[in-house]
Amino acid sequence: QKEVEQNSGPLSVPEGAIASLNCTYSDRVSQSFFWYRQYSGKSPELIMSIYSNGDKEDGRFTAQLNKASQYVSLLIRDSQPSDSATYLCAVNTIQGAQKLVFGQGTRLTINP
Amino acid sequence: DADVTQTPRNRITKTGKRIMLECSQTKGHDRMYWYRQDPGLGLRLIYYSFDVKDINKGEISDGYSVSRQAQAKFSLSLESAIPNQTALYFCATSGSAGGILGTDTQYFGPGTRLTVL
Repeated sequence: QKEVEQNSGPLSVPEGAIASLNCTYSDRVSQSFFWYRQYSGKSPELIMSIYSNGDKEDGRFTAQLNKASQYVSLLIRDSQPSDSATYLCAVNTIQGAQKLVFGQGTRLTINP
Repeated sequence: DADVTQTPRNRITKTGKRIMLECSQTKGHDRMYWYRQDPGLGLRLIYYSFDVKDINKGEISDGYSVSRQAQAKFSLSLESAIPNQTALYFCATSGSAGGILGTDTQYFGPGTRLTVL
């Protein structure tokens, strides 16, 4: 089992709809969870970080964390064509030393 | 000016050549990382350093070496480049916040696209 798993997509969502991106992780003691957005050929940029169970909202973005189910998600409301990108889920692991493990990313396309 | 810079941005080289990729940061962070990204494989950690005297191997360190010349500089070397090292390479930095079990946010440089012929 991969440490961090995402559906690679592509995920197609109509403009204005809600895009839902999911991520599962295997290390039960993970404490830090991040969503990065990456446009093609560009570097990842942080969208959201979440550390506690529940929801965290920032503008059109909501991160949801359920540590019991080892599940973290990202919702994008009122999706825009500019949201079309690959979204990377990253989770910290304490195996060995503190570092992040990244999922393979979900490619999201917002259709006008 | 960018907080995390990488040089070169693009490099084409031949099999067997030694290559150095450089990373500098002005964020004042202690921790620095080198990743490679291949299509469909996400980001994979090559090496990381939590301070100038601390160097650790990541999941794919074979064929690579690093040098932490100063808090702000972290270089990645390919001693003898091979074609399957063709990839997009990213440097990242983070602070040491996050508590005992947490991890601080990582900030990425613009990347170096390396092609080994």
